[in-house]
Amino acid sequence: EAGVTQFPSHSVIEKGQTVTLRCDPISGHDNLYWYRRVMGKEIKFLLHFVKESKQDESGMPNNRFLAERTGGTYSTLKVQPAELEDSGVYFCASSPFGTPDNSPLHFGNGTRLTVT
Amino acid sequence: RKEVEQDPGPFNVPEGATVAFNCTYSNSASQSFFWYRQDCRKEPKLLMSVYSSGNEDGRFTAQLNRASQYISLLIRDSKLSDSATYLCVVNKAQGAQKLVFGQGTRLTINP
Repeated sequence: EAGVTQFPSHSVIEKGQTVTLRCDPISGHDNLYWYRRVMGKEIKFLLHFVKESKQDESGMPNNRFLAERTGGTYSTLKVQPAELEDSGVYFCASSPFGTPDNSPLHFGNGTRLTVT
Repeated sequence: RKEVEQDPGPFNVPEGATVAFNCTYSNSASQSFFWYRQDCRKEPKLLMSVYSSGNEDGRFTAQLNRASQYISLLIRDSKLSDSATYLCVVNKAQGAQKLVFGQGTRLTINP
């Protein structure tokens, strides 16, 4: 079974540009999560999709970030316009519907975003 | 105050040593607890879940004290391959895997 895949693995953009990150969850997984780690900080929750619906987007830092999951399959996270403080590693994870709360998450290998 | 606090280290210990990591969490409603490890430039990977009764997986032992809101990880007979950052992780949500991460403790095992 293929794991969670993320694309690109690295992205370097200039301040003010737009970047779109993509996450392909494990096939059939209804839950999809985005997390990120910015420099010197801990990994933090961004948002949670159940199928195509945003279940919880309380971790989204501001309205420059837009996440979508059309059709309930892959998800995109767009940053527009990017700022220097958006640099970090963005992780995606997925799990089946009904996964118990005490189940761990398994992450994709992340997208490293550098804004210059 | 951070929701999950860990000693950031770094810890540098010789191969074969026993290492102990500690972690505290602030939300008493937290439901589930984990230790993840993260290698340099890699994604975090589950090391083990932590249960109130304590649990062991080979050289690794995890303990949870809900009254003190304290989680620990013990690594015995450490190997060079144990070098990594160890993340204390708590799930405070019900019905979701909304994980709260500590900043991580960096461990280096020296030959």
